Amino acid sequence: QVQLVESGGGVVRPGGSLRLSCAASGFTFSTHALYWVRQDPDKGLEWVAVISYDGTDKFYADSVKGRFTISRDNSRNTVSLQMDSVRGEDTAVYFCARTPGHDFWTYFDLWGQGALVTVSS
Amino acid sequence: EIVMTQSPGILSVSPGERATLSCRASQSVSYHLAWYQQKPGQAPRLLMYDASKRATGIPARFSGSGSGTEFTLTISSLQPEDSAIYYCHQNEEWPQTFGQGTKVEIK
Repeated sequence: QVQLVESGGGVVRPGGSLRLSCAASGFTFSTHALYWVRQDPDKGLEWVAVISYDGTDKFYADSVKGRFTISRDNSRNTVSLQMDSVRGEDTAVYFCARTPGHDFWTYFDLWGQGALVTVSS
Repeated sequence: EIVMTQSPGILSVSPGERATLSCRASQSVSYHLAWYQQKPGQAPRLLMYDASKRATGIPARFSGSGSGTEFTLTISSLQPEDSAIYYCHQNEEWPQTFGQGTKVEIK
């Protein structure tokens, strides 16, 4: 079954850290760029980070640059998002999402079910 | 950044009727526009890409049109399972941006 499954969400204190993971199955993971996209009721959908199919290129939204790190392990079909120095405005549902191929500046043809991250003291 | 504005915010349509959703970009995005459907508690699902290309497995009642700054998603004959929020998404320019969504309700 072609799918992405996120894990690692939860409650974290402001200034703390959390690591999200996304496990892929049913397709050739190493041929797709991967994104993290977040959603909250006030700001809607916002892309957070993207990593190229081979992990050599990474880009971040200005809102998370210097605090979040995206990585992937093509041998284990996983992509991760390390979230450090979290803030209240990072509270959201985080989705991992796949692009159709190597191109990472394009649409998302597969999404995971999402992981809720709540930043609260 | 490019601002995507969707209208209306809520659309109430009877089953079997046509639903027309609009998405406007603050500057041209060429044809680099995608539409997603999201049901409560679920992930977004790709409906259309490159403005008018239907994604795999999407019913023919869904169609997309437009280019530049004005785009339309049409559901030709609304079905009960089409009740959802629909988002447009531009991937023409960094940073990619999304519209705020149109909620489609079954009347």
